[in-house]
Amino acid sequence: DAKTTQPPSMDCAEGRAANLPCNHSTISGNEYVYWYRQIHSQGPQYIIHGLKNNETNEMASLIITEDRKSSTLILPHATLRDTAVYYCIVRVEYGNKLVFGAGTILRVKS
Amino acid sequence: KAGVTQTPRYLIKTRGQQVTLSCSPISGHRSVSWYQQTPGQGLQFLFEYFSETQRNKGNFPGRFSGRQFSNSRSEMNVSTLELGDSALYLCASSEGTGRPGGYTFGSGTRLTVV
Repeated sequence: DAKTTQPPSMDCAEGRAANLPCNHSTISGNEYVYWYRQIHSQGPQYIIHGLKNNETNEMASLIITEDRKSSTLILPHATLRDTAVYYCIVRVEYGNKLVFGAGTILRVKS
Repeated sequence: KAGVTQTPRYLIKTRGQQVTLSCSPISGHRSVSWYQQTPGQGLQFLFEYFSETQRNKGNFPGRFSGRQFSNSRSEMNVSTLELGDSALYLCASSEGTGRPGGYTFGSGTRLTVV
């Protein structure tokens, strides 16, 4: 599984967009980019995933560069409840395990 | 739709004992994966069961084992507990077909070994 690199922490003002970067320079053609987040003492929560194209759902947007070596998770209007550890993961299409890195601690401040 | 249920939520055991944790996946999901989370090592994959068979295994000693029943419920067992086994144990449920999509995690069982 390809490895990912994320900044250890980021701050964001409440109501502003939070942009969380992830580098995955060794990603293979059949690997998807997944984002999860973990709020303190809870299980990780699935946010979004993508292969090549940008994706959007009710929680976030995922922007993947054309060479697929990096991506950005965008929370359009961050709230205090978005404070969590965000994990960027690459996963083989038919793989059945997630390899978590250290993630990014996002602190949303009022 | 009920979520992933893990029991018990908290557990305290003594070194040398064994422990069994339970996970009930989302109805219709046939895959259950187990993860260990510690402050030092983060989230690490233990194993995955699909249709009562272990399909994938992480790099943990043989003291860690699991099984899955015909109703897809899964149990994991840790024998001869060590202090370092203190962790949050999480299970994740999915359809198991390998198609892209998210796993749904339970809230975990926090195990403390004293």
